[in-house]
Amino acid sequence: DTGVSQNPRHKITKRGQNVTFRCDPISEHNRLYWYRQTLGQGPEFLTYFQNEAQLEKSRLLSDRFSAERPKGSFSTLEIQRTEQGDSAMYLCASSPPGGNSPLHFGNGTRLTVT
Amino acid sequence: QKEVEQDPGPLSVPEGAIVSLNCTYSNSAFQYFMWYRQYSRKGPELLMYTYSSGNKEDGRFTAQVDKSSKYISLFIRDSQPSDSATYLCAMSASSGNNDMRFGAGTRLTVKP
Repeated sequence: DTGVSQNPRHKITKRGQNVTFRCDPISEHNRLYWYRQTLGQGPEFLTYFQNEAQLEKSRLLSDRFSAERPKGSFSTLEIQRTEQGDSAMYLCASSPPGGNSPLHFGNGTRLTVT
Repeated sequence: QKEVEQDPGPLSVPEGAIVSLNCTYSNSAFQYFMWYRQYSRKGPELLMYTYSSGNKEDGRFTAQVDKSSKYISLFIRDSQPSDSATYLCAMSASSGNNDMRFGAGTRLTVKP
């Protein structure tokens, strides 16, 4: 169990640029989640995959955000035309099949939009 | 009103003290309750996971859930400087956790 891996750890970009983050879940976990966390707040749900299917998207996930999980393994989160309000920690989590399993988080990608 | 309320602190205690961290919630459908510890610039790390009401103990940590009062607690005994972190409560109604809601986190400092 190597844990949930996220890359890059930090990303600084200029407003209007596109950015893409990657998440590699724990290998036997079929459920994958993206959260966003701003300073002094708890994580907020963005979207959820079971295998390759994106089953739920939060209203926080505007049209500029898109997430994919091809082949049900790693996932990517892309933000197009970044805005300063997108600056946050983007967390990925995974959990194994079946119920009653808590989320295991990666160390996140910290995005700064200047 | 937020679904999950947590006192943000900060909370500062001397080494060896008993720490009590609390959350209240409004959604009576919540039945899975978690506590996460988050160090600066790291992701949340699962500490305790409980289902429905009752107590659960793991080493120096005890989690309590009172569904009738919509109130959960985490107790840390013999607190150590290494316990200094932000503690997040989380809860969900479904076992799939796609409806999980987090508190804002309580920042704890344990002074040697």
